[in-house]
Amino acid sequence: EPEVTQTPSHQVTQMGQEVILRCVPISNHLYFYWYRQILGQKVEFLVSFYNNEISEKSEIFDDQFSVERPDGSNFTLKIRSTKLEDSAMYFCASSGGQTTGELFFGEGSRLTVL
Amino acid sequence: DQQVKQNSPSLSVQEGRISILNCDYTNSMFDYFLWYKKYPAEGPTFLISISSIKDKNEDGRFTVFLNKSAKHLSLHIVPSQPGDSAVYFCAASAWGSGTYKYIFGTGTRLKVLA
Repeated sequence: EPEVTQTPSHQVTQMGQEVILRCVPISNHLYFYWYRQILGQKVEFLVSFYNNEISEKSEIFDDQFSVERPDGSNFTLKIRSTKLEDSAMYFCASSGGQTTGELFFGEGSRLTVL
Repeated sequence: DQQVKQNSPSLSVQEGRISILNCDYTNSMFDYFLWYKKYPAEGPTFLISISSIKDKNEDGRFTVFLNKSAKHLSLHIVPSQPGDSAVYFCAASAWGSGTYKYIFGTGTRLKVLA
């Protein structure tokens, strides 16, 4: 069964360092998303991406964040200069835009900023 | 502005009985409502969805009911099994700005007691 894959599963970094989280969405999907979940809190929307550009972004997605689809398969989230409060699980998701509106998530990348 | 609310942070149910998870929303423009199940350190897994034009959708042990006048939906799990113990997120989606937007509730932790 097709699935969304994310790497790395866990990354530990020093505050101020750049981090890139990678995702391979389901191959025929067109809409891509990043969400995050700080421990014990709700799943928060960061950004949506369609047709090689950002469709929508939340207040969390400030200038320190960027997304890219560098080739036909990868979808990356970059945090330019990490802060302690960026520590969270980051989930990539994709959707084919089909009528049931299903959104499929990857297993997540745990980011720990020290 | 919490557009999707799950007011019960936790629920305990005996194995074999019915689990009822509730969700309220405020925006009448949502097209689809979805339920996700999440285990610790894993990505949310899609369970079942319902279109805003329907009032019930059933898939095996899972049934989702939608009451549009009350802006309320519920997920029924019958019979509940210990493996159902997880956090359940309600989500709502709407089309806008060239993409589907998904908004998640805060989750309800279900514990099924053997």
